[in-house]
Amino acid sequence: DVKVTQSSRYLVKRTGEKVFLECVQDMDHENMFWYRQDPGLGLRLIYFSYDVKMKEKGDIPEGYSVSREKKERFSLILESASTNQTSMYLCASSFTWAETQYFGPGTRLLVL
Amino acid sequence: QQQVKQSPQSLIVQKGGISIINCAYENTAFDYFPWYQQFPGKGPALLIAIRPDVSEKKEGRFTISFNKSAKQFSLHIMDSQPGDSATYFCAASIVNTGNQFYFGTGTSLTVIP
Repeated sequence: DVKVTQSSRYLVKRTGEKVFLECVQDMDHENMFWYRQDPGLGLRLIYFSYDVKMKEKGDIPEGYSVSREKKERFSLILESASTNQTSMYLCASSFTWAETQYFGPGTRLLVL
Repeated sequence: QQQVKQSPQSLIVQKGGISIINCAYENTAFDYFPWYQQFPGKGPALLIAIRPDVSEKKEGRFTISFNKSAKQFSLHIMDSQPGDSATYFCAASIVNTGNQFYFGTGTSLTVIP
């Protein structure tokens, strides 16, 4: 059974803090993705990675960075959190050229 | 710019009724169209998917109808049940370019007993 885990289910941070969101998958997937989910906007891709140390910008990368030092782990970094980054963050993974993405349970981030 | 447009935003259906959610796309290079189901507190999970070489795919009570010429596809849930209450997302991708998905904005379905 594919498992994608995210380090926190809920997180409260202050404006200006550096925030790390961690995602780990146990299926040896090459591809990993970070999305944010907002009501009425659906899932929007922030960054994705096809391989270790590789990253590609998605549709809304501004204010975010990522790190993929190991195949199973993909981190999303908010360098200086702002209130407009309050959202649900979802991580996903898949095999290269495969059709199905597997999602983690999400991290709900509140920036005060 | 939304690559995949989804409607309605919310839907209320009586138990036993048919739920229909519609999506439209512009990019004719898309070759994979999945539907994801998301329950509260959970991440989305693949429900059913279709390739453009067929016009319909059925899995149990869930059916995707695909109209290539109109660039539209829809999800039909027959005999809707309260347990189907969830948010549904359509998506589109070009499989041989690395599996980047473009998601619709989601439909919140409530099935009332």
